Amino acid sequence: DTGVSQDPRHKITKRGQNVTFRCDPISEHNRLYWYRQTLGQGPEFLTYFQNEAQLEKSRLLSDRFSAERPKGSFSTLEIQRTEQGDSAMYLCASSRTGGGNQPQHFGDGTRLSIL
Amino acid sequence: GESVGLHLPTLSVQEGDNSIINCAYSNSASDYFIWYKQESGKGPQFIIDIRSNMDKRQGQRVTVLLNKTVKHLSLQIAATQPGDSAVYFCAENLPGSGGYQKVTFGTGTKLQVIP
Repeated sequence: DTGVSQDPRHKITKRGQNVTFRCDPISEHNRLYWYRQTLGQGPEFLTYFQNEAQLEKSRLLSDRFSAERPKGSFSTLEIQRTEQGDSAMYLCASSRTGGGNQPQHFGDGTRLSIL
Repeated sequence: GESVGLHLPTLSVQEGDNSIINCAYSNSASDYFIWYKQESGKGPQFIIDIRSNMDKRQGQRVTVLLNKTVKHLSLQIAATQPGDSAVYFCAENLPGSGGYQKVTFGTGTKLQVIP
């Protein structure tokens, strides 16, 4: 079990630029989640995939945000035309299906700083 | 550096003492609860979970208690160690459609262990 991997760990960019983050879930997990976390707050849900299907999106996910999971394995989160308010930690989590509730396991996140 | 524990309620405990971290959850329909530990610069780490049909569950040095009557969850850490210093989040799960687990995180409590 290699855990959830996220890349890059840190991203600094100028306002207005596009950024893309990658998440590699635990290999046997077919559920994948994206969250955003700001200082002093708990993670807030952004979106959820089961295999390659994006089944749920939060209202936090504006039109500038898009997530994909094309082959049901890794996922990418893209933010277009970044704004100051996008500065946050972006966390990815994955979980199994079946056997009732399963805990989500998190990566160490990508910290985004908008200049 | 940045701290995920900024502006959070803080619990200070002497090394070797027991810690109790409390959490009030919001939705009586939540059927599954999870405690996470988050160290600075890292993602949330799964500690222990409990289903709503239970009121107590024990792990290694940790115990979770669930009181559905008052919608209260607690995490007890026995013989607290310096490595337990972190921010602790409780999370509640609402059953969703398509097997989606809608997990909502609480505010978090910062645990400081005094050597």
